[in-house]
Amino acid sequence: NAGVTQTPKFQVLKTGQSMTLQCAQDMNHEYMSWYRQDPGMGLRLIHYSVGAGITDQGEVPNGYNVSRSTTEDFPLRLLSAAPSQTSVYFCASSYRDSALPGSPLHFGNGTRLTVT
Amino acid sequence: QQPVQSPQAVILREGEDAVINCSSSKALYSVHWYRQKHGEAPVFLMILLKGGEQKGHEKISASFNEKKQQSSLYLTASQLSYSGTYFCGTVISSGSARQLTFGSGTQLTVLP
Repeated sequence: NAGVTQTPKFQVLKTGQSMTLQCAQDMNHEYMSWYRQDPGMGLRLIHYSVGAGITDQGEVPNGYNVSRSTTEDFPLRLLSAAPSQTSVYFCASSYRDSALPGSPLHFGNGTRLTVT
Repeated sequence: QQPVQSPQAVILREGEDAVINCSSSKALYSVHWYRQKHGEAPVFLMILLKGGEQKGHEKISASFNEKKQQSSLYLTASQLSYSGTYFCGTVISSGSARQLTFGSGTQLTVLP
């Protein structure tokens, strides 16, 4: 059981480049989300999805785009990378909305992104 | 809307106890607790719903005071394996029930 798989683990981009961070889960979870983690700021929600075809913005959505064409996949796109997007990105999934009891978030191992 | 955690860091000796607090200015629906070790992904500990219930996980327990919009995580007889950064995540009652907002974390170090 792979759980939540993120690729790549590390990435270096130049300012202005675009890329897609991949996230896949094999637990048939309805809810998927992307967080970024910066020192001293905890985890901040970028975008989330409550099911295939449904996405919504979190706290810090600017500069990022998402889609959810299947239950399993939830890619995060950086449209034009900026140094401020240097961070560690975590994808997480949950059986249902993360607010409900018995529905903890399962995190991937993260992608460390550096924008120069 | 980010919850406030305190303290920011704590250092313990093995066997000592610690309390980590999480507070919000908004009415809360639920509080989540996660632990993250250096270089790893956060790992779920427990969820608490409004109603003041207390839950436990090994020698780690937590409470939720709905009136004060506060949750506390209690680590008793700490072990070396408890070292890491602890995050609380909150879901506010009046907002989207799908947004889990995390605090900035409490770094716990347990020394032998």
